[in-house]
Amino acid sequence: DAGVIQSPRHEVTEMGQEVTLRCKPISGHDYLFWYRQTMMRGLELLIYFNNNVPIDDSGMPEDRFSAKMPNASFSTLKIQPSEPRDSAVYFCASSSGQEFQPQHFGDGTRLSIL
Amino acid sequence: AQSVAQPEDQVNVAEGNPLTVKCTYSVSGNPYLFWYVQYPNRGLQFLLKYITGDNLVKGSYGFEAEFNKSQTSFHLKKPSALVSDSALYFCAVRRPSNTGKLIFGQGTTLQVKP
Repeated sequence: DAGVIQSPRHEVTEMGQEVTLRCKPISGHDYLFWYRQTMMRGLELLIYFNNNVPIDDSGMPEDRFSAKMPNASFSTLKIQPSEPRDSAVYFCASSSGQEFQPQHFGDGTRLSIL
Repeated sequence: AQSVAQPEDQVNVAEGNPLTVKCTYSVSGNPYLFWYVQYPNRGLQFLLKYITGDNLVKGSYGFEAEFNKSQTSFHLKKPSALVSDSALYFCAVRRPSNTGKLIFGQGTTLQVKP
């Protein structure tokens, strides 16, 4: 089975530019999570969806960040405008609806804002 | 407040020796507990979980974990460490009836030396 697929794997862009990160969850999973990982702050949950509906976005840093899930097989995390402090590895994860099932992570997008 | 603590930033062991990576949690009720491993430039990979029943659970790559309710701990163990086990390890907890959100510890780097 294909795992969680994220694109791009690496993104380097200049401050002020719009950045869009993409995620394809595992087929059949109805939860989708976006995380950010940095050395300073560790692993942070940004937002998660259930059946394409945002459930908790309390981890989204500020209004520059937005996330959508237009259908069960695709989600985006957008940063506009980007800032150097947004540089991090962004992970997407998905899981099935049963609460004891683990989350499955993609390999992340390494984002560098110059 | 719910929390997960991994008291050691780094654990060093010699190859062939047993290893333990510690995790304690503070969550009401009977939580579900998970261990993940992260290799460089990869996403988190699920290792094992405790839901209910036997306090010793076995997982991937020869790892096991011991659940101790009275001490609210869920330590990861392996009888004989391999150099290839060197990685970053995360403990995570989910409260039953929670809507899928995991609470992660800050991670422990395991270094296995030949």
